[in-house]
Amino acid sequence: TQLLEQSPQFLSIQEGENLTVYCNSSSVFSSLQWYRQEPGEGPVLLVTVVTGGEVKKLKRLTFQFGDARKDSSLHITAAQPGDTGLYLCAGDSSNDYKLSFGAGTTVTVRA
Amino acid sequence: ETGVTQTPRHLVMGMTNKKSLKCEQHLGHNAMYWYKQSAKKPLELMFVYSLEERVENNSVPSRFSPECPNSSHLFLHLHTLQPEDSALYLCASSQVHDISVGNEQFFGPGTRLTVL
Repeated sequence: TQLLEQSPQFLSIQEGENLTVYCNSSSVFSSLQWYRQEPGEGPVLLVTVVTGGEVKKLKRLTFQFGDARKDSSLHITAAQPGDTGLYLCAGDSSNDYKLSFGAGTTVTVRA
Repeated sequence: ETGVTQTPRHLVMGMTNKKSLKCEQHLGHNAMYWYKQSAKKPLELMFVYSLEERVENNSVPSRFSPECPNSSHLFLHLHTLQPEDSALYLCASSQVHDISVGNEQFFGPGTRLTVL
């Protein structure tokens, strides 16, 4: 199993501030997914990045895949209370059907 | 129904009970998964079915028994569970071997299981 480390573990910010969540590994992934999970619900897929150096934007969320495809970041601009949740990254090795999940970053945006 | 559905959403059971969790995916995917999510732990993969064949049993105790009768349905049969089995059980599906999207997994809402 390939280990994905997420940092920070917890993040609490004021509405309107920016934040960045990191996902790092020593392993190379063919693709990487980001999910957001709200309490009592399942994770919801936000984005998939597949190319080294790729940047994807989803409204105020910007996702970047590292050049070496070992790490990724999620940046939220002008965070809103609706962005509150557990953010999970998951790496995909092209050889099988399994995802390796990070432990997650709990983001709280205060109004 | 759309996406991935799970029933029941909440389940409380005694250690001697037998119960089953049900998952149904409406996405036409060819693989389904059971995960366990405990507080402060990463998602733990329990079982994987690809094309209705179990391809992964991640050292899960025999008191958990999966069943995949077809590509749209997945069950998790529970018997003589322990209190430490209390967790959120998540079902997911994906279309494996579609390299254009990687292994994007779509999750159900989960079943919150409490074992007394």
